[in-house]
Amino acid sequence: GQQLNQSPQSMFIQEGEDVSMNCTSSSIFNTWLWYKQDPGEGPVLLIALYKAGELTSNGRLTAQFGITRKDSFLNISASIPSDVGIYFCAGLPRNAGGTSYGKLTFGQGTILTVHP
Amino acid sequence: NAGVMQNPRHLVRRRGQEARLRCSPMKGHSHVYWYRQLPEEGLKFMVYLQKENIIDESGMPKERFSAEFPKEGPSILRIQQVVRGDSAAYFCASSPYAGGFTDTQYFGPGTRLTVL
Repeated sequence: GQQLNQSPQSMFIQEGEDVSMNCTSSSIFNTWLWYKQDPGEGPVLLIALYKAGELTSNGRLTAQFGITRKDSFLNISASIPSDVGIYFCAGLPRNAGGTSYGKLTFGQGTILTVHP
Repeated sequence: NAGVMQNPRHLVRRRGQEARLRCSPMKGHSHVYWYRQLPEEGLKFMVYLQKENIIDESGMPKERFSAEFPKEGPSILRIQQVVRGDSAAYFCASSPYAGGFTDTQYFGPGTRLTVL
């Protein structure tokens, strides 16, 4: 089946630093989504990307949909303690009809720790 | 988590018992997805349902697991004769429709199942 390789697995940074994480796939995705998950909670959608090459921002977060449709990155600028959590990329595959299909594939997650 | 409701939040069962997990999608959403998350892993797709229809159950074990989304009421994920390996967090997501660019999925808070 399809797999997403997300890196890095974990990051330990100082408050105020910028953070970058990415996901790559061997197959094409129609949509890329970035989620954050806090302990004991469900994933919360941060950014959704729908077009190859698209660059989208949400406050201090910026994400891009790779031109090849096989990768995406997420940047967090000027990190703060509440950015701590697990970040997941997720992709919706391109099915035979060329439209998205409901089966999200998730990366393994990036655990972010921010030291004050 | 954008209005998707799941209950119970925590469920403890002994081996051989049945577990019933419920999910009420966001208002106006007619597509429901179930995912399973093992500790320190990403979410894995189980099943995708529309009202009264199972669209894709390719990620769900063939035995002991079933899912439904009736015309009225919440979606139910049912696990019969639970075993220890079923212990995990089960997440439900919903979207307004699928097959287009705006089929972004929003997640509920999850049900943590512990099998003793």
